[in-house]
Amino acid sequence: DVKVTQSSRYLVKRTGEKVFLECVQDMDHENMFWYRQDPGLGLRLIYFSYDVKMKEKGDIPEGYSVSREKKERFSLILESASTNQTSMYLCASRGREGWGYEQYFGPGTRLTVT
Amino acid sequence: DQQVKQNSPSLSVQEGRISILNCDYTNSMFDYFLWYKKYPAEGPTFLISISSIKDKNEDGRFTVFLNKSAKHLSLHIVPSQPGDSAVYFCAASATIKAAGNKLTFGGGTRVLVKP
Repeated sequence: DVKVTQSSRYLVKRTGEKVFLECVQDMDHENMFWYRQDPGLGLRLIYFSYDVKMKEKGDIPEGYSVSREKKERFSLILESASTNQTSMYLCASRGREGWGYEQYFGPGTRLTVT
Repeated sequence: DQQVKQNSPSLSVQEGRISILNCDYTNSMFDYFLWYKKYPAEGPTFLISISSIKDKNEDGRFTVFLNKSAKHLSLHIVPSQPGDSAVYFCAASATIKAAGNKLTFGGGTRVLVKP
């Protein structure tokens, strides 16, 4: 079974703080993703990475950055948290092409910025 | 501009009856489609998928239908069970290499199955 874990289930931060969200997968997957989920908007892709040290912007990268120093770990960084970044953050991973297109998700981090 | 749309935000159905969830897409490059199920406070879990070379895929109580000409897919759950109460997301992918590995998700449909 694929396991994707996220460092926190709930997080409360203040406006302007730097926030780190960590994600770890145990299936040696090449691809990792960060999404945010907001009511009515579904899941929107923030950033993804297809290899160590490689990253690509998703649909809503503004205000975020990412880091992938090891294959199993993908971090999402909010450089200066703002209230409009209050959301559910979901990490996912996927194997290389030919292994199927399903992404496997972690349990999510509910971030509140006050 | 939402490329994947689920126009029904919610659906209520009686236990034992059929649930039909709909999804429309606009990008003709999409050629692989997935359905995910999400319970509160959990991450989405993969349910079923379909490639554009097929028009139907079945897995137990779940069947996905694809109408490429209409750019429409649907998920049928028969019979519906109370444990099916969740939010369902439709997702689409363009599998050409240039598109990367991205999934584009719809806004979700909340299903409530009443006992």
